[in-house]
Amino acid sequence: GDSVTQMEGPVTLSEEACLTINCTYTATGYPSLFWYVQYPGEGLQLLLKATKADDKGSNKGFEATYRKETTSFHLEKGSVQVSDSAVYFCALSEHSNYQLIWGAGTKLIIKP
Amino acid sequence: NAGVTQTPKFQVLKTGQSMTLQCAQDMNHNSMYWYRQDPGMGLRLIYYSASEGTTDKGEVPNGYNVSRLNKREFSLRLESAAPSQTSVYFCASSERSGANVLTFGAGSRLTVL
Repeated sequence: GDSVTQMEGPVTLSEEACLTINCTYTATGYPSLFWYVQYPGEGLQLLLKATKADDKGSNKGFEATYRKETTSFHLEKGSVQVSDSAVYFCALSEHSNYQLIWGAGTKLIIKP
Repeated sequence: NAGVTQTPKFQVLKTGQSMTLQCAQDMNHNSMYWYRQDPGMGLRLIYYSASEGTTDKGEVPNGYNVSRLNKREFSLRLESAAPSQTSVYFCASSERSGANVLTFGAGSRLTVL
C-alpha cells in the first residue's frame, strides 16, 4: 500500500541555519503531496502542497519540490527562526481515493 | 473565525467508561474527519463523513462510533474505553470529500486508565 517515510526527529538547529526535512513516499499512481505543520498546542495546518511532478510548493519561506524520479518531497528553508519550532508532517493523497496518508512527523527545535 | 472547535481539550477516563468528543465547524464544509495521533505513528483516520448524512470507516474504526449530527457537527463516541485508546484526537473538515486541504481543530487529549 501507499506509505510516507519521514526522517526521525527531533531535529535541533540554531537560528538562521538551513533546514532540510526528508520525505519519501511509495504510491501506485501519481499522488498529490503535502506538508502540514503543527505548532505547540495547536492542530495541524497546511504549509504547502504540490500536485504533479516537478511542481514546487512554497509558503512562509519553506519550499518542497515534487521529485517523481526519487519519489521524494523534501522540505527546505534557507534560514530558520525560533518561531519555526513545530512538528512537520509529510502526507500524500492518491487521486483515486483522496484519503491522506501521513508520515510519522518530524519535530523541529530551533534554538536562539 | 472559530474554524473547527473540539471539546473537551482534556479528559481522563477509567477503563470501561464511555464518552463523546464533540466537533463543530463554521466554514460550511461538507466533509469532516476524526483522526488519532500517537507518538511515532503520524495521524490515523478513525472515521470520516463525506457529506451530511453519510459516515464511513477509516483505518482504525474499532472501538469507536460517530454521528454526523448536521452539516456543522461530527461527534466521536467511545462506548467502552480501553487504555489502547489513550491518544490525542483531532477533528478536521474540508470543503468536499477529495479536497485534501484540511482544517484541524486544536485536539483533545484523552487518557484511559
